[in-house]
Amino acid sequence: ELKVEQNPLFLSMQEGKNYTIYCNYSTTSDRLYWYRQDPGKSLESLFVLLSNGAVKQEGRLMASLDTKARLSTLHITAAVHDLSATYFCAVDPRTGNQFYFGTGTSLTVIP
Amino acid sequence: NAGVTQTPKFQVLKTGQSMTLQCAQDMNHNSMYWYRQDPGMGLRLIYYSASEGTTDKGEVPNGYNVSRLNKREFSLRLESAAPSQTSVYFCASSEIWDRAGNEQFFGPGTRLTVL
Repeated sequence: ELKVEQNPLFLSMQEGKNYTIYCNYSTTSDRLYWYRQDPGKSLESLFVLLSNGAVKQEGRLMASLDTKARLSTLHITAAVHDLSATYFCAVDPRTGNQFYFGTGTSLTVIP
Repeated sequence: NAGVTQTPKFQVLKTGQSMTLQCAQDMNHNSMYWYRQDPGMGLRLIYYSASEGTTDKGEVPNGYNVSRLNKREFSLRLESAAPSQTSVYFCASSEIWDRAGNEQFFGPGTRLTVL
């Protein structure tokens, strides 16, 4: 069974600071997705990473994928309060249609 | 486009009652999914349907059944609800492209409590 681990699980950071969320997975895959979830809401797609070395950026968020290390990172630059949410990574092993989600990182940005 | 819609938004059941969660998508996607979300456990796949007329078990299928009614609609049924099925249920849909991957789009969720 594919395992997806995110760390940290909880992150409290000050506005203006930088930080990185890590997503490690246990089997070969070159497809990884990042989602954002606000409290009580659904999941919103942030990034789709489809090859080794893929890097995507949107505003203060940048995601990357290293398939050899089985690692994806979500980097936050100069955090603002609006980024407070839970962030999930999901791995697609390309065997069947299944995604495997990490347990999520709950981010709180403090003014 | 409404995207993925789910009904109901909230539901309270007593142990042993049955109910069906409804999901519909208007994006003409072939694949649809049902997940449950529990605190500290991320999302876990219950069942999925790769295309109209097919369904497959996911990671946690016990206690659930599904029906792919047509290309747009995918329902999840709890035949005899148990407190362990208290959760938030999300439906999702996707179209699988070799170049574009399998990005899934999620509905708003159904918050189910089983007493």
